[in-house]
Amino acid sequence: EAGVVQSPRYKIIEKKQPVAFWCNPISGHNTLYWYRQNLGQGPELLIRYENEEAVDDSQLPKDRFSAERLKGVDSTLKIQPAELGDSAVYLCASSSQGAPGNTIYFGEGSWLTVV
Amino acid sequence: GENVEQHPSTLSVQEGDSAVIKCTYSDSASNYFPWYKQELGKGPQLIIDIRSNVGEKKDQRIAVTLNKTAKHFSLHITETQPEDSAVYFCAASREGSGYSTLTFGKGTMLLVSP
Repeated sequence: EAGVVQSPRYKIIEKKQPVAFWCNPISGHNTLYWYRQNLGQGPELLIRYENEEAVDDSQLPKDRFSAERLKGVDSTLKIQPAELGDSAVYLCASSSQGAPGNTIYFGEGSWLTVV
Repeated sequence: GENVEQHPSTLSVQEGDSAVIKCTYSDSASNYFPWYKQELGKGPQLIIDIRSNVGEKKDQRIAVTLNKTAKHFSLHITETQPEDSAVYFCAASREGSGYSTLTFGKGTMLLVSP
């Protein structure tokens, strides 16, 4: 079974430029998460989707970050304009509502460097 | 909201020794506690989890213990091997009613020397 797929794996951009990350969750998983992981820190939730609906976006900086999950499958996270402090790893994860517990499966992350 | 504290931040052991990583949580309603292993350049991978209705769970060389009263849980790795070297994260959340997403600790870098 394929895991959570993210692209691009690495991105270097200049500040004030836009950037977008794409995520394909595990097949059949209707819950999708975007986390941000700063260097030396644990992942922090940005947004959680149940199917197409964003049910928890309280930690998403809405002035510059946006996300969408069309058709309840793939998702895109966008930053516009990027700032130096946005340099981090952006992790996508998914889980199945029916799975025991809260087992969350992560992708390998998109590493963003803003210069 | 939930706050998860994890220590130590780094841990160095010799191959074959045991390693223990400890976490505390603040929300007494949290009832699900997973541990993730993150290798360099990869995403976190679930290695073991425990729910609040049990006090201990084992899977080969890995065990997790939970003390609900103290709001404390620990990861124990026995007979460590160099391939155990990675960053380990604990996390906590609420399942069921009042569901909450995972809150992670800051991680422990484990280095196992041959």
